[in-house]
Amino acid sequence: SLELTQPPSVSVSPGQTASLTCSGDRLGEKYVSWYQQKPGQSPVVVIFQDKKRPSGIPERFSGSNSGTTATLTISGTQTMDEADYYCQAWDISTVVFGGGTKLTVL
Amino acid sequence: QVQLQESGPGQVKSSQTLSLTCTVSGGSISSGSYYWTWIRQSAGKRLEWLGRSHTIGSTIYNPSLKSRVTISLDTVKNQFSLELSSVTAADTAVYYCARERIYSTGSHFDYWGQGTRVTVSS
Repeated sequence: SLELTQPPSVSVSPGQTASLTCSGDRLGEKYVSWYQQKPGQSPVVVIFQDKKRPSGIPERFSGSNSGTTATLTISGTQTMDEADYYCQAWDISTVVFGGGTKLTVL
Repeated sequence: QVQLQESGPGQVKSSQTLSLTCTVSGGSISSGSYYWTWIRQSAGKRLEWLGRSHTIGSTIYNPSLKSRVTISLDTVKNQFSLELSSVTAADTAVYYCARERIYSTGSHFDYWGQGTRVTVSS
């Protein structure tokens, strides 16, 4: 079965670019979505179908997916972007989530 | 604006059945474009998909829980529900209901409920 691996934590300085990765077997052949979750809140989708942004999500959020790795990139990271980020993909019509990455902006 | 709201007991005794309901407003669960889903998040923060259901009768469960989980839809009340049987402490989590948009080789969850915490006690 598919397993999605994310680094537990990533740190970035305000204004810099954050790159969050998600790895899985032949992940590039599947659509990947990314969710942002702040403490005490429900997850919010920030990227779907590898690189599409829902309405209301800032342009600084972008995504890519190739080979075995999907990447969520946050350009010009702001302190408000500090949160947990989860990747998600399908495994034979069931859903798998990565373990999440805590993004610290400092 | 679609809204989802979970409801149900915050505490369930071990070996009993956990039952939760998700009430949907601002949209109909009979819409053919979406599936209705339950997801949980343990204290370790990992998200776990439990299963999805559609009004045409298609229901799929997480294989790791398949024998214990049931998701059903009530189109009259515009609600869907989760039943998880034979619960143990490992089932203690925050339970979310969500709307799932499905496409050829994937899906995403575009609306989530606020989540409800369920504790399994002995």
